[in-house]
Amino acid sequence: RKEVEQDPGPFNVPEGATVAFNCTYSNSASQSFFWYRQDCRKEPKLLMSVYSSGNEDGRFTAQLNRASQYISLLIRDSKLSDSATYLCVGAFRGGYNKLIFGAGTRLAVHP
Amino acid sequence: GAVVSQHPSWVICKSGTSVKIECRSLDFQATTMFWYRQFPKQSLMLMATSNEGSKATYEQGVEKDKFLINHASLTLSTLTVTSAHPEDSSFYICSANDRRSTDTQYFGPGTRLTVL
Repeated sequence: RKEVEQDPGPFNVPEGATVAFNCTYSNSASQSFFWYRQDCRKEPKLLMSVYSSGNEDGRFTAQLNRASQYISLLIRDSKLSDSATYLCVGAFRGGYNKLIFGAGTRLAVHP
Repeated sequence: GAVVSQHPSWVICKSGTSVKIECRSLDFQATTMFWYRQFPKQSLMLMATSNEGSKATYEQGVEKDKFLINHASLTLSTLTVTSAHPEDSSFYICSANDRRSTDTQYFGPGTRLTVL
């Protein structure tokens, strides 16, 4: 079983739609979680950190449920520019910050 | 914000040759740098962790004699793909931890390697 699992999609949604991505992780020792965004043929860029208390940044809301080992990302009022692959990432602290990436969920927002 | 550069951004080489990729932190000192590989439609896979002045730590299944990593200074790490083969063609991405705040990794723009 992969340490971080995501639905690969693609999610095809119209502009203005609300879309939710889910992610599960298997290693309960994971200490921090993040959502990264990756555009085609580019490096991943940090979108936001994920906390148990929830984290909101504009149209984006992330949530962590440690009991269920489940992470979510909600995007409201989708824009064309939101089209990308969203990577769920867990961090393991062992002297350095080791990141484990999920395979990513593709989002395509259309007019 | 913190900037990480990679050079070259893309490279095409013949099978059997060696290719060196550089990763530099431009405006901060990086105690730790990470090397990832990403095949098409797949996730980033950590290859190795590089600490300045010491040997790299390789992930399971990554051949240390094939992927040579050198981290000679706090701002530079290099990955050399030795005797490259077509199956080594991939997107290689480095990242770096700012020594002042190890919580955040800053990613380089990646190097696309094509081995003919």
